[in-house]
Amino acid sequence: GENVEQHPSTLSVQEGDSAVIKCTYSDSASNYFPWYKQELGKGPQLIIDIRSNVGEKKDQRIAVTLNKTAKHFSLHITETQPEDSAVYFCAARVGNEKLTFGTGTRLTIIP
Amino acid sequence: KAGVTQTPRYLIKTRGQQVTLSCSPISGHRSVSWYQQTPGQGLQFLFEYFSETQRNKGNFPGRFSGRQFSNSRSEMNVSTLELGDSALYLCASSLSGGFTNEKLFFGSGTQLSVL
Repeated sequence: GENVEQHPSTLSVQEGDSAVIKCTYSDSASNYFPWYKQELGKGPQLIIDIRSNVGEKKDQRIAVTLNKTAKHFSLHITETQPEDSAVYFCAARVGNEKLTFGTGTRLTIIP
Repeated sequence: KAGVTQTPRYLIKTRGQQVTLSCSPISGHRSVSWYQQTPGQGLQFLFEYFSETQRNKGNFPGRFSGRQFSNSRSEMNVSTLELGDSALYLCASSLSGGFTNEKLFFGSGTQLSVL
């Protein structure tokens, strides 16, 4: 089955700087890649997603890039703010099968 | 539109007991998936229901079961609880779960503690 690896497990950046989280997947048939943000005491919240026929997608300060050849995708957050502090999960899915999640990245924004 | 609602928010049980968790999906969503979240294992897929039928199943023992009702609400049951079942149980809904890029929306979860 699909296996998703996520790095780094923890990340601290100064407020205003950029943060990058990277994921790799194993199944070349995966064609949907969402990113979730989980704040303390809450469930994961979808923040951005990308399909395999798109190389990059941007939504305000958040962007995701996908490299199908290398089987990796990344989340980029620019101009980070304190409210960006959370745990971020990447995921991958083949067709209508289950979402397979990465192990999460705890992002801390230092004021 | 109301989000995914899970009840109860917290549960404390002892080993050997059984527990039932409830999930109400977003109005109009017909697919409900369940995930177990633990610090060590991350988010692990339990099962998915669509139109009252289990469509996908993860690698969990038979003590974990679920069902879906005609109004798309779902319940998850864990029998003969073990200490290792302590986790945050998350429910997620989507329109039909049948499309590649269909978005999955999560509830806030039920935190289960087994003593």
